[in-house]
Amino acid sequence: SQQGEEDPQALSIQEGENATMNCSYKTSINNLQWYRQNSGRGLVHLILIRSNEREKHSGRLRVTLDTSKKSSSLLITASRAADTASYFCATYGPTGRRALTFGSGTRLQVQP
Amino acid sequence: GAGVSQTPSNKVTEKGKYVELRCDPISGHTALYWYRQSLGQGPEFLIYFQGTGAADDSGLPNDRFFAVRPEGSVSTLKIQRTERGDSAVYLCASSLAGVGNEQFFGPGTRLTVL
Repeated sequence: SQQGEEDPQALSIQEGENATMNCSYKTSINNLQWYRQNSGRGLVHLILIRSNEREKHSGRLRVTLDTSKKSSSLLITASRAADTASYFCATYGPTGRRALTFGSGTRLQVQP
Repeated sequence: GAGVSQTPSNKVTEKGKYVELRCDPISGHTALYWYRQSLGQGPEFLIYFQGTGAADDSGLPNDRFFAVRPEGSVSTLKIQRTERGDSAVYLCASSLAGVGNEQFFGPGTRLTVL
């Protein structure tokens, strides 16, 4: 079963605009990770935020985490056509379990 | 190799047949994971290996699914008596040992059961 849900399910924007995706999860976590997937194949790790962090930046990416609301957001600034992909949040679930639990993803389309 | 590799990239089989999917992890990664992804969904966990042993196989849907990693490196996911509902992309990932490490994913095998 899916740990979390991404919102929105699909997002279409123009190149240069910012894209914001949200993720909610259900159980307590050690960290939360965001992945990108092109064309339904391999996932690429984007960024990891630990449970004691509130915000993290990496290039054009900004991730926030609110553990009280069990939610996270991913902001992509100055989007490019190459950012077109599906984006997933993933968490490590119950303590000691090593498997990532993924949300259902946001499909981002950046129009050139 | 530089990353996780999976073979074949695509597999088409008939209902009832047996298939094997292979994963070559990143050298030195002792942890290996199999996930399954259906269209429009996120990956779902199947099984996790630490070294040669399956440390967590709670995600395997039924006893038609089995995976091995005999020498602690390459892993094979085996599906017996395939069903149409098994059609999905099967993803393999590897990581260093320890909790919460980044998992590096392979390109996946797209399995189609006719």
